[in-house]
Amino acid sequence: DQQVKQNSPSLSVQEGRISILNCDYTNSMFDYFLWYKKYPAEGPTFLISISSIKDKNEDGRFTVFLNKSAKHLSLHIVPSQPGDSAVYFCAASYALAQFYFGTGTSLTVIP
Amino acid sequence: ETGVTQSPTHLIKTRGQQVTLRCSSQSGHNTVSWYQQALGQGPQFIFQYYREEENGRGNFPPRFSGLQFPNYSSELNVNALELDDSALYLCASSSPGPLYNEQFFGPGTRLTVL
Repeated sequence: DQQVKQNSPSLSVQEGRISILNCDYTNSMFDYFLWYKKYPAEGPTFLISISSIKDKNEDGRFTVFLNKSAKHLSLHIVPSQPGDSAVYFCAASYALAQFYFGTGTSLTVIP
Repeated sequence: ETGVTQSPTHLIKTRGQQVTLRCSSQSGHNTVSWYQQALGQGPQFIFQYYREEENGRGNFPPRFSGLQFPNYSSELNVNALELDDSALYLCASSSPGPLYNEQFFGPGTRLTVL
């Protein structure tokens, strides 16, 4: 049972524009959400996180939005840069226990 | 500061064999989690070790077992290998505190079962 879903396997965006990656979850008990970036032949790298008590968290060009009623979170990257091209995973956890990952979205930023 | 390392990088085994994968956690981290990432999928949680004790387990059969050592390095053992065990195995380390949820991943071990 996939509790965290990323329905877009891929996304292409022009350099300088906004990239929006989406993630949906089914378990209302999740209280912490994270985004990871993964380059080929490397492990995922932590990007940004958000607690369920917040609805927005910003870190430089990266902003994560959480809509608890819709069980939806999104990652905004603005402006997008070619170096942002990677696979992005969202993940969720409950009470700091195991992490559930989505299937990933491959982002390509076109120069 | 040394990051998370995993060995070996690649491994080929045959069905029914046993395999041991190794992980060295990042300096100062006392928690290690193991994940299985099948092709086209996201990482799936296998189990977590905290101070040498299992601290949570995902939906994996008992033939997946682990150890954590006093230096916080860890092993993942898989017995009676099946073809579906072919995957990238990721190890992640973390440490309790404000940044507890920032797991640092190693590059993974690619296991192929023939």
